Amino acid sequence: GNSVTQMEGPVTLSEEAFLTINCTYTATGYPSLFWYVQYPGEGLQLLLKATKADDKGSNKGFEATYRKETTSFHLEKGSVQVSDSAVYFCAFSSGSARQLTFGSGTQLTVLP
Amino acid sequence: EAGVAQSPRYKIIEKRQSVAFWCNPISGHATLYWYQQILGQGPKLLIQFQNNGVVDDSQLPKDRFSAERLKGVDSTLKIQPAKLEDSAVYLCASSLDGHNEKLFFGSGTQLSVL
Repeated sequence: GNSVTQMEGPVTLSEEAFLTINCTYTATGYPSLFWYVQYPGEGLQLLLKATKADDKGSNKGFEATYRKETTSFHLEKGSVQVSDSAVYFCAFSSGSARQLTFGSGTQLTVLP
Repeated sequence: EAGVAQSPRYKIIEKRQSVAFWCNPISGHATLYWYQQILGQGPKLLIQFQNNGVVDDSQLPKDRFSAERLKGVDSTLKIQPAKLEDSAVYLCASSLDGHNEKLFFGSGTQLSVL
């Protein structure tokens, strides 16, 4: 069935370090891929998305490329900040109603 | 622009009791979703409304969970009777249409069933 496998956390980095959070998916058809972020005390919000193979989503210095051949959508940022500390969720939408399927989330803590 | 509003923020009940959650989506958003997020897991869709009609409730435990969106605006989710395994954060989200390309989430209601 449809599923998302996401890098387990927690991940702790120093400020300005390089970030990668791995995400792979199992889905039928042609899913759209997303990264959502949840900052402390706030609701989930869309960080970036990609809707077809080889598309690159980007926002706030974060990037992820839709790799159909490896069914992956890894999140990267070249230099993290303390304010990036949050939980990151990989997700995809599929099916006729485009239901979202989420990964289990990765807690990121960035230390000054 | 006001976000998705949910209440209460926290709720503690004993098993077999009833509980209800309320959600007011962003104005003009036709699609409303209820998700259940168990600790350590990602959100799982319980039910999706398009205006006041149900689009998908395949993962809603209908023997104890019910939801309504009578006027196509705000919505309530009810659990009756609650079980220990219902302890979770219940998230409401809305989107402009049903294409699920961008969802706006509320802060959630954290339910503890003792």
